[in-house]
Amino acid sequence: DTAVSQTPKYLVTQMGNDKSIKCEQNLGHDTMYWYKQDSKKFLKIMFSYNNKELIINETVPNRFSPKSPDKAHLNLHINSLELGDSAVYFCASSQGWPRTSRTDTQYFGPGTRLTVL
Amino acid sequence: RKEVEQDPGPFNVPEGATVAFNCTYSNSASQSFFWYRQDCRKEPKLLMSVYSSGNEDGRFTAQLNRASQYISLLIRDSKLSDSATYLCVVPWKHAGNMLTFGGGTRLMVKP
Repeated sequence: DTAVSQTPKYLVTQMGNDKSIKCEQNLGHDTMYWYKQDSKKFLKIMFSYNNKELIINETVPNRFSPKSPDKAHLNLHINSLELGDSAVYFCASSQGWPRTSRTDTQYFGPGTRLTVL
Repeated sequence: RKEVEQDPGPFNVPEGATVAFNCTYSNSASQSFFWYRQDCRKEPKLLMSVYSSGNEDGRFTAQLNRASQYISLLIRDSKLSDSATYLCVVPWKHAGNMLTFGGGTRLMVKP
């Protein structure tokens, strides 16, 4: 069974469009995350979210918004897509909450490759 | 200094070789460190944690030098299957589950 799943795997769209990427985890974890990996392979955290707190990396444009219908799902909505948004987006989850002194193992989804034309 | 910095490589080594990667970090308050492995076009996966001076797991040894603010990963008896990108990871201060990833070091093990 897939622990962290994402859909779609590939997404090709035009500039200016609005799109969403879905993520689901069946690990019973409390916290989920979104990461962006650009063409130079740098992996950067965008958000972490549990039912108590949203932590946003200050470098993320407000066109990006996480939406969580329940603990097992964290979707990423992107408004007014730009060329620079082209990247691979990874969802991840971990057992603990973000603001903790320890670091829990994060389990990543397979990634969504977004191409903005 | 960047928050987490790694030599991107690639490191090309023959099977059976020993290879080591270094990673430097800027936050002197960091207490824990991690190595993740990412195969081509796949997701990252945790390889090892480094909590004190070092940690060993089979052919893999991770070491921490707090004074110089670097961690290293040593791979002995390299296998073809070790070919991947190795990501150095440092948690945010006061938010242990918010992670900063290095750019990764690419390893290619040749027959």
